[in-house]
Amino acid sequence: DAKTTQPPSMDCAEGRAANLPCNHSTISGNEYVYWYRQIHSQGPQYIIHGLKNNETNEMASLIITEDRKSSTLILPHATLRDTAVYYCIVPGHPFTGSARQLTFGSGTQLTVLP
Amino acid sequence: EAGVTQFPSHSVIEKGQTVTLRCDPISGHDNLYWYRRVMGKEIKFLLHFVKESKQDESGMPNNRFLAERTGGTYSTLKVQPAELEDSGVYFCASSLGGTSTDTQYFGPGTRLTVL
Repeated sequence: DAKTTQPPSMDCAEGRAANLPCNHSTISGNEYVYWYRQIHSQGPQYIIHGLKNNETNEMASLIITEDRKSSTLILPHATLRDTAVYYCIVPGHPFTGSARQLTFGSGTQLTVLP
Repeated sequence: EAGVTQFPSHSVIEKGQTVTLRCDPISGHDNLYWYRRVMGKEIKFLLHFVKESKQDESGMPNNRFLAERTGGTYSTLKVQPAELEDSGVYFCASSLGGTSTDTQYFGPGTRLTVL
């Protein structure tokens, strides 16, 4: 897997946008960037993924830099329920055997403050 | 559509006993994965099934762990005999396809406590 680097923790005020950065400087051309989160001890929850273009869904937006070496997950209007550990994951080349293993790392603990 | 389900949600056993965890993937998902998080550590991959076949079991810690997926539907993970260091949360995930572009969806996990 391409190694990812995330800040260990971030705070965000409720109602404001939360911008979570991730560095993946060793990413290769065919590798996707995935974001998951884990709220307390629940199962990891899929948020969004992308390859080159920016992506948006009902949960978040994903901004990937042009050189693909970093990305930012944006929660546009953070709520208290968004407090969680956020993981940026690059699963690996689509056609390699180990591509299916998700390597979670330590993630970023996002705390949304009232 | 029902998500990935796991049973039981919690299990407390004594060292040396046997425990079997069950995972029901999302209907139609051929790919099933087991992960676990032991205390204070990161979530780690255990193994990957494609239908009933083990595609990758490189993360299985030792031969006390046995995973099966008979019939290619639900899967079980048996720990026999359980040791103290096996305590943690065991997650199951499933995906429709088998490439890294296929999203894995996780279940709520089974919290295993070995006393």
